[in-house]
Amino acid sequence: GNSVTQMEGPVTLSEEAFLTINCTYTATGYPSLFWYVQYPGEGLQLLLKATKADDKGSNKGFEATYRKETTSFHLEKGSVQVSDSAVYFCALSDWEDSNYQLIWGAGTKLIIKP
Amino acid sequence: SAVISQKPSRDICQRGTSLTIQCQVDSQVTMMFWYRQQPGQSLTLIATANQGSEATYESGFVIDKFPISRPNLTFSTLTVSNMSPEDSSIYLCSVAGTENYGYTFGSGTRLTVV
Repeated sequence: GNSVTQMEGPVTLSEEAFLTINCTYTATGYPSLFWYVQYPGEGLQLLLKATKADDKGSNKGFEATYRKETTSFHLEKGSVQVSDSAVYFCALSDWEDSNYQLIWGAGTKLIIKP
Repeated sequence: SAVISQKPSRDICQRGTSLTIQCQVDSQVTMMFWYRQQPGQSLTLIATANQGSEATYESGFVIDKFPISRPNLTFSTLTVSNMSPEDSSIYLCSVAGTENYGYTFGSGTRLTVV
């Protein structure tokens, strides 16, 4: 079945450091891929998405490229801020087999120190 | 994309009681999902609730414990019955649009059972 694997956290970085959070997936069809963010005490927010191979999603300085050849969707940001501290979830949806739910990674907690 | 109003945002409940969570959507949607997020964990799908049919529960979740109502295309409720401290979690509703990339989430209900 479909699955998402993302790097374990917590990831601790200093402000202005480069961020990569790895995400790989397994899917039978042609999934859409997502990154969601959950700030402390808040709900889920869609950070970015990509719906087909080689698409790049971007938002708030974050980017992720849909790589079909490596089945990956790694999240990157060139210079992180303290306000980026949150939990980041990678997810996919694949409607090919009439399964309409989102498949979630375990989440990666990001801690940015000033 | 759809906008979801989820209530209550948080509650503290006595064990043995029940809590009903409501989600109101500002447009008609076919697919609605209910998730549980236990502390420090990823999201787990409880059930899929499509209007006009019985909710479909995931493994480990049963209708007696988590009855779901879906009376029309804009509204759904999830009841957490006979609560115990282990039910303390965030509960979220979500809807899917017409494509496999159009998901929207409610703001969540933070439930504490004492």
